[in-house]
Amino acid sequence: TQLLEQSPQFLSIQEGENLTVYCNSSSVFSSLQWYRQEPGEGPVLLVTVVTGGEVKKLKRLTFQFGDARKDSSLHITAAQPGDTGLYLCAGDSGSARQLTFGSGTQLTVLP
Amino acid sequence: DAGVIQSPRHEVTEMGQEVTLRCKPISGHNSLFWYRQTMMRGLELLIYFNNNVPIDDSGMPEDRFSAKMPNASFSTLKIQPSEPRDSAVYFCASSLGVSGNQPQHFGDGTRLSIL
Repeated sequence: TQLLEQSPQFLSIQEGENLTVYCNSSSVFSSLQWYRQEPGEGPVLLVTVVTGGEVKKLKRLTFQFGDARKDSSLHITAAQPGDTGLYLCAGDSGSARQLTFGSGTQLTVLP
Repeated sequence: DAGVIQSPRHEVTEMGQEVTLRCKPISGHNSLFWYRQTMMRGLELLIYFNNNVPIDDSGMPEDRFSAKMPNASFSTLKIQPSEPRDSAVYFCASSLGVSGNQPQHFGDGTRLSIL
């Protein structure tokens, strides 16, 4: 079973601060996706990273895929209350088992 | 555009009762997924279909759970008989194709409480 561990599990910060959350595995993934989930809603895809070492930016969010394709990070610059939510990473092993989701990082940005 | 539609949004029932959750995927998507989300176990894949055919049901907890997809626009997840430990939020998602790097589009979930 391929596991994705996310850290920290919970993070509470003030508006304007920067933060980084991590997604780690001992397994190699052919691609990795990041989702954000708000209360009462389903996860929504933010980005997909495919190439080892790849960096993608989405406004104030920067996503990086590790060189070995076993880990990923999400960095948020100048966090805003609207960034509050559960951030989930999901890895694709390339098998028919589809995505494996991490346990998530619950981010709260206080105004 | 309509997203993935799930019903009901909330369901509260007593243990032993049959529960049926419903999902309408995005039109044109040929893969459909059922997930269960709890605080303890996070988001778990239960079963997924491609072109209405179940491909992998290894995540289905036990024989009390069953899922069907009679056509491309409708799927059900049934629990019979239900137990308190089945309480969770159940999500349906759909995507184009079977590749794991295709984005999955989630519904808003059904919050199930078994008393």
